[in-house]
This record gives sequence, C-alpha cells and structure tokens, in this order.
Amino acid sequence: GQNIDQPTEMTATEGAIVQINCTYQTSGFNGLFWYQQHAGEAPTFLSYNVLDGLEEKGRFSSFLSRSKGYSYLLLKELQMKDSASYLCAVKDSNYQLIWGAGTKLIIKP
Amino acid sequence: EADIYQTPRYLVIGTGKKITLECSQTMGHDKMYWYQQDPGMELHLIHYSYGVNSTEKGDLSSESTVSRIRTEHFPLTLESARPSHTSQYLCASSEGRDTGELFFGEGSRLTVL
Repeated sequence: GQNIDQPTEMTATEGAIVQINCTYQTSGFNGLFWYQQHAGEAPTFLSYNVLDGLEEKGRFSSFLSRSKGYSYLLLKELQMKDSASYLCAVKDSNYQLIWGAGTKLIIKP
Repeated sequence: EADIYQTPRYLVIGTGKKITLECSQTMGHDKMYWYQQDPGMELHLIHYSYGVNSTEKGDLSSESTVSRIRTEHFPLTLESARPSHTSQYLCASSEGRDTGELFFGEGSRLTVL
C-alpha cells in the first residue's frame, strides 16, 4: 500500500529552527508537496520538490531524497503565526496526491 | 490570491436530508477535486474532475455524487445524509499540468444529527 509518515506533533520556541520530516512509500513518484494548514482553515501551498536537493524560499526550505523516500521542511526564525499543521503529500505514478496526516507544530514564546 | 469559493461554510442538518455543497473557481482551472478531512487526519479524495463532463470517484468510498457541467462549478451532493457524513469537505482546483499545486476553498463543515 501507499504510505506517508510524519510526526504527529512537534513543539518549538519562537525564533528557533525546526525540521519536520516526511517519509513515503508510494507506487511511483512525481513530486512532493508541503502545505500549511492553520486550524479551521484550508491548506495553502508551501513548496514543491521533484528533484533531489534543497529548495529555499524565504524562511522555509524543503529537502528531498528520492532514493531514501524522504523529505523535510525546515522552518527558520520561527514566529507565533507559524503554529499550524504541515502536510506532506506525494504525487504517485498516476499523478494522484497521497497525503500524510500532517504534523501539528506548536510554537512557544 | 486564489479564487475558489465554497458554500455553505457550516451546515447542521438532520439524518436523511439531501444536501448540495457548492464550489466555484474563477481561475479557469480544468482540474477540480473534493476532499474529506477529519480532525488530525489526512485528506481523502472522494471525487475529481479533469474538465467539463468528466467526473471520477476517488479512493474514499462515498455515497456522494458530483457534476461538472461548467468549468467553474463543481457541486457535491449527498442524497441522504447520515451522521457518518459529519466531516470537513474541501474543494480544490489546479492547472492542467500534472505538477500543479492545489488551490483550496475555505471548506464546508457538515454536521449530521
């Protein structure tokens, strides 16, 4: 079967750095997405990786290793507004998105 | 800013009622999707469409139906609501290319008593 694994919850301190990991086992791979979802709101797009390596976008970076079936989202200079769930999703060989259950990130002052 | 809208945002209804959740987008996207999401759980695809007159069922068994008569409109209908249908329903759209990101509506939170 297809599977996406992420930690359920993480806690970090304002101003610090946090890394959210995602491992996947899917039938084929056509890209990996990270979305941010604040409580009670819709997911919003953060990043897309299809090749190995690091993609940087402001305070957020996303890394992919296809051989290891692994990605992480790195958040720097954490702000209180970064408290949200972070969803990892992989496009399989049929270009359908397989979603992880999300990682709830709690930021403390 | 994404332009995809869902109504109603919140709905509480009794068992056996027929309901339609509306979804419209003004971005001209060919691909549209309906997802179901329970708190702390992953999104489950229930229906999708690749264009007008195209509809497919997703991987989550559902008693709902959809239609795609116009590019911008993708309503979801439950003929007879049950308490097990209580959930958050998210509509999304994307451009034609396979690597395109999804744009989500604000969601419709349904409670069936």
